[in-house]
Amino acid sequence: SYVLTQPPSVSVAPGQTAKITCGGNNIGSKSVHWYQQKPGQAPVLVVYDDSDRPSGIPERFSGSNSGNTATLTISRVEAGDEADYYCQVWDSSSDHVVFGGGTKLTVL
Amino acid sequence: QVQLQESGPGLVKPSGTLSLTCAVSGGSISSSDWWSWVRQPPGKGLEWIGEIYHSGSTNYNPSLKSRVTISVDKSKNQFSLKLSSVTAADTAVYYCAREYCSTTSCYVGYWGQGTLVTVSS
Repeated sequence: SYVLTQPPSVSVAPGQTAKITCGGNNIGSKSVHWYQQKPGQAPVLVVYDDSDRPSGIPERFSGSNSGNTATLTISRVEAGDEADYYCQVWDSSSDHVVFGGGTKLTVL
Repeated sequence: QVQLQESGPGLVKPSGTLSLTCAVSGGSISSSDWWSWVRQPPGKGLEWIGEIYHSGSTNYNPSLKSRVTISVDKSKNQFSLKLSSVTAADTAVYYCAREYCSTTSCYVGYWGQGTLVTVSS
């Protein structure tokens, strides 16, 4: 089964740039999707297909994917960005969705 | 805009069967999308359970496949989850969701609010 690896936590000061990584074997050949989840709430899609943003998601959220690592970048971080972030791919070898373990973003 | 609402018992006894239903409003379950269940144990990450197409085609998480059944009721515009032989490890918030799928990938576009199911005697 395909495995996605995320750092448990990332910390960043307000106004700085946060980078959250998602590692997987040749993940660059897959489409990667990212979700934001705040406490007590359902996840929200923030990036799909590596780098596309759904309507209503600020341009500060961007994504990239190459080789064995996909990255979610949040520019000009705000206090309201503090949340858990999950990457996700589709494992075509077994036809199922795979989530990463999640990364807690702390805004200092 | 599509809205999803989970319903079902919040408490299930060990070895019993967990049953949840997801009502879809603001859209048809017969659209060209997949409908799925995702769970999240308290304080832990997301785990995909499985998905169903309106035709009845399903895909399940290999780790849960032997215990999971997802079905669809087009007449009621809803789909359901059954998870058998539950243990305390199945205690989680269960989300129903709408997926968007291309030929190479799927992602969750809409989520229900989630419902907590506790497995305890």
